[in-house]
Amino acid sequence: DTGVSQDPRHKITKRGQNVTFRCDPISEHNRLYWYRQTLGQGPEFLTYFQNEAQLEKSRLLSDRFSAERPKGSFSTLEIQRTEQGDSAMYLCASSSPVDGNTIYFGEGSWLTVV
Amino acid sequence: GDSVVQTEGQVLPSEGDSLIVNCSYETTQYPSLFWYVQYPGEGPQLHLKAMKANDKGRNKGFEAMYRKETTSFHLEKDSVQESDSAVYFCALPGSRSSASKIIFGSGTRLSIRP
Repeated sequence: DTGVSQDPRHKITKRGQNVTFRCDPISEHNRLYWYRQTLGQGPEFLTYFQNEAQLEKSRLLSDRFSAERPKGSFSTLEIQRTEQGDSAMYLCASSSPVDGNTIYFGEGSWLTVV
Repeated sequence: GDSVVQTEGQVLPSEGDSLIVNCSYETTQYPSLFWYVQYPGEGPQLHLKAMKANDKGRNKGFEAMYRKETTSFHLEKDSVQESDSAVYFCALPGSRSSASKIIFGSGTRLSIRP
C-alpha cells in the first residue's frame, strides 16, 4: 500500500495524558499536512510541512500541540495534557511537488479523551 | 477570507434519482475547486476537481461545473446508486499566501434509499 499511513488508528486516553500520532506520507511527497475533524464537520487545517520545515500553523494549534517532521519523511503530532475537547479524528495528508493543491489523506487517527 | 458553503445535513434520494448538492464559494483568487468524498471509517479522498473557471470536473458519473459568474460548483449526477452513499465535501485552496491550506465545507451526507 503506497497511500498515507497513520498510526494508531484509534486511541483512548485519560484527560491530562499525552498522546502521539505518527504519519507516513506517500513517498516522494514533499508536503505533509495535519488536519482535525470532528463529527459532522469538514476537516480543519492544523499545520503543514514542506520537507522538514514547518511553514504554517493554524490558530487551532494551541501550545499543547506540537508537530515535527525531523527528516522530511514521517511526521508526529503530539498533544500534551489532553482535554476532552481534543477528542476528534486527526488526519494526515500529503502532496507532491508537481501538484501541491491536490492532497491525499490517510485514514485518520481517532482520539477519545475520557 | 476564502470560504465554502454547501448543502447542509443529509440528502436522501432514492436509487435512480437525479442529484444536485449545492456549493457556493467566496474567494478573491479563483483557484482550483474540489469535491472530496468520505466513506465511513476512512479519510476524505479527492472525488473530482476543476482547475479554472468554466472547467467541468467529472468522476464516476458525477459532474461539477466551475462557474465564476455565480460563484458555484454544484455537484450533480443524473442517476444515483446505493454505492454513492457517503459524505461529500466541497473545498478550495486557501489564499495564494497560504495555498497549502484546503478549506472544506461542512459536508453533505448522501444516503441513497434502495
